Amino acid sequence: EAGVTQFPSHSVIEKGQTVTLRCDPISGHDNLYWYRRVMGKEIKFLLHFVKESKQDESGMPNNRFLAERTGGTYSTLKVQPAELEDSGVYFCASSPGTGSYEQYFGPGTRLTVT
Amino acid sequence: EDQVTQSPEALRLQEGESSSLNCSYTVSGLRGLFWYRQDPGKGPEFLFTLYSAGEEKEKERLKATLTKKESFLHITAPKPEDSATYLCAALHNAGNMLTFGGGTRLMVKP
Repeated sequence: EAGVTQFPSHSVIEKGQTVTLRCDPISGHDNLYWYRRVMGKEIKFLLHFVKESKQDESGMPNNRFLAERTGGTYSTLKVQPAELEDSGVYFCASSPGTGSYEQYFGPGTRLTVT
Repeated sequence: EDQVTQSPEALRLQEGESSSLNCSYTVSGLRGLFWYRQDPGKGPEFLFTLYSAGEEKEKERLKATLTKKESFLHITAPKPEDSATYLCAALHNAGNMLTFGGGTRLMVKP
């Protein structure tokens, strides 16, 4: 069974530019999560999709971040315009439907904003 | 506010020297306590979920236990390949987000 995949693995952009991160969850997993770790801090929750619907976006830092999950399959996280403080590692995770809480993480995308 | 604290931040062990990692949590309504292993440049790898105080789970040289305030990850006779960062995370019973601790970086020397 393929795991959670993320693309790209690393992105370097300039302040003010736009970046789109992609996550492909484990096949059949209805729940998809985005987390991020900024330098020296804990991994923090950003948002949670159930299929194509946003269940919880309480962790999104501001309106420069836009997440989508069209069709309930892969998800994208767009940062526009990027700021220096957006640098960090963005992780995606997925879990099956109701009753199973284990979240399986992808390898992450390291975003560097210069 | 939910909080998860791990100690120590770093731990150096000799191969075969058993020890324990601590994860203390203050969560109003814990649904589950998760342990992950993370290697450099990779995502967290799921190890265990514990749901109730007194529960224990084992996998090879690792055993996780849970009380009402903390969880321990016991490592018995570690090997160099056990070197990694170990993360614990709490799942609140209202919602599906994980609250992570800062991790313990374990280094096992041959």
